[in-house]
Amino acid sequence: GNSVTQMEGPVTLSEEAFLTINCTYTATGYPSLFWYVQYPGEGLQLLLKATKADDKGSNKGFEATYRKETTSFHLEKGSVQVSDSAVYFCALSGASRGGYQKVTFGTGTKLQVIP
Amino acid sequence: EPEVTQTPSHQVTQMGQEVILRCVPISNHLYFYWYRQILGQKVEFLVSFYNNEISEKSEIFDDQFSVERPDGSNFTLKIRSTKLEDSAMYFCASTNRGGNQPQHFGDGTRLSIL
Repeated sequence: GNSVTQMEGPVTLSEEAFLTINCTYTATGYPSLFWYVQYPGEGLQLLLKATKADDKGSNKGFEATYRKETTSFHLEKGSVQVSDSAVYFCALSGASRGGYQKVTFGTGTKLQVIP
Repeated sequence: EPEVTQTPSHQVTQMGQEVILRCVPISNHLYFYWYRQILGQKVEFLVSFYNNEISEKSEIFDDQFSVERPDGSNFTLKIRSTKLEDSAMYFCASTNRGGNQPQHFGDGTRLSIL
């Protein structure tokens, strides 16, 4: 079945540092890949997505490239801010029985950015 | 921007009691989902729902669980006889078509079983 593996947290960075959160996946077919973010006390928000190989998703300074050859979708940001502190979930969506999608999530990586 | 809304934000229930978690998906969406997140663990798929029937359910979604779309706007998750291990955050999600479209999530309902 589908699975997502992402780096363990927590990750603690100073403001303006470079961020990488690694994510690899296992899936049949051609899944779509997502990063969701969960700010403290809030729900899951879609951060960015990529639907096919070599696509780059980007939003709010975050980027991730769909690498089919390495089955990876690493999240990067060049300069993090305190407001980026949250839990980040790598996820994939693939066709399941009946053609309906379900999202498979990684375990989440907590990011803490200190001033 | 349209949102998925969930109520209540926090539900405290005695073990063995029935609980209903409510969701209002985005109005033009047709596919609905429930997920749960036990504290400190990953978000897990429970069930997907389309055209007034369950399209897929996970092994977690046993006979104690049921879903319903009682009217044109609400989508509910019922747990018939709650257990301690049902304590979790429950997320509702919706999307307007199938395939690999991103799902829009609500803020979740935190269910605490005593």
